[in-house]
Amino acid sequence: GEDVEQSLFLSVREGDSSVINCTYTDSSSTYLYWYKQEPGAGLQLLTYIFSNMDMKQDQRLTVLLNKKDKHLSLRIADTQTGDSAIYFCALRGAAGNKLTFGGGTRVLVKP
Amino acid sequence: ETGVTQSPTHLIKTRGQQVTLRCSSQSGHNTVSWYQQALGQGPQFIFQYYREEENGRGNFPPRFSGLQFPNYSSELNVNALELDDSALYLCASSLDGRAGGELFFGEGSRLTVL
Repeated sequence: GEDVEQSLFLSVREGDSSVINCTYTDSSSTYLYWYKQEPGAGLQLLTYIFSNMDMKQDQRLTVLLNKKDKHLSLRIADTQTGDSAIYFCALRGAAGNKLTFGGGTRVLVKP
Repeated sequence: ETGVTQSPTHLIKTRGQQVTLRCSSQSGHNTVSWYQQALGQGPQFIFQYYREEENGRGNFPPRFSGLQFPNYSSELNVNALELDDSALYLCASSLDGRAGGELFFGEGSRLTVL
């Protein structure tokens, strides 16, 4: 089955850039997503990229996709304390009817 | 605000009981998916409903069942509750089953089984 891996924790200083990484095994993924989850809350869709794209930029967010290495990353520019949360990458497979999530990366932004 | 609403937000049940969770999808969306998120883990796909039919199921036993109604709202039913069913249950809304990009989640229903 599909496997999606993320590092557990990232600490960053306010104002710096954060880079959250995700690796996966299913090369037939169609859409790749980044979600943010704050304590006790649901999942907030941050951005997504179609598999035929290499990069997508949306304000402070930049998504990079390396299909050869099966590597997805999310860069947050000028990280703020409000960016502290758990970030999940997720992949929609070829069947299109489900997302497979990584285990999440907890990002802590220090003042 | 995603327009996806779930109820109840929190509930406590005991082992062996049954539970029904509800979800209203975003306006215009005809597809609802359900996910289980255990503490400290990523969400796991339970099943998806598209135009009132189940069109995909994850690795969950038959005691997890669902319905989608003509207005595209949905229910998740869990029978014979077990302690390991304690989790946040998330509903996701999208358009057109297997196509399209955007998939929006509700705030979830947190189930505790004692």
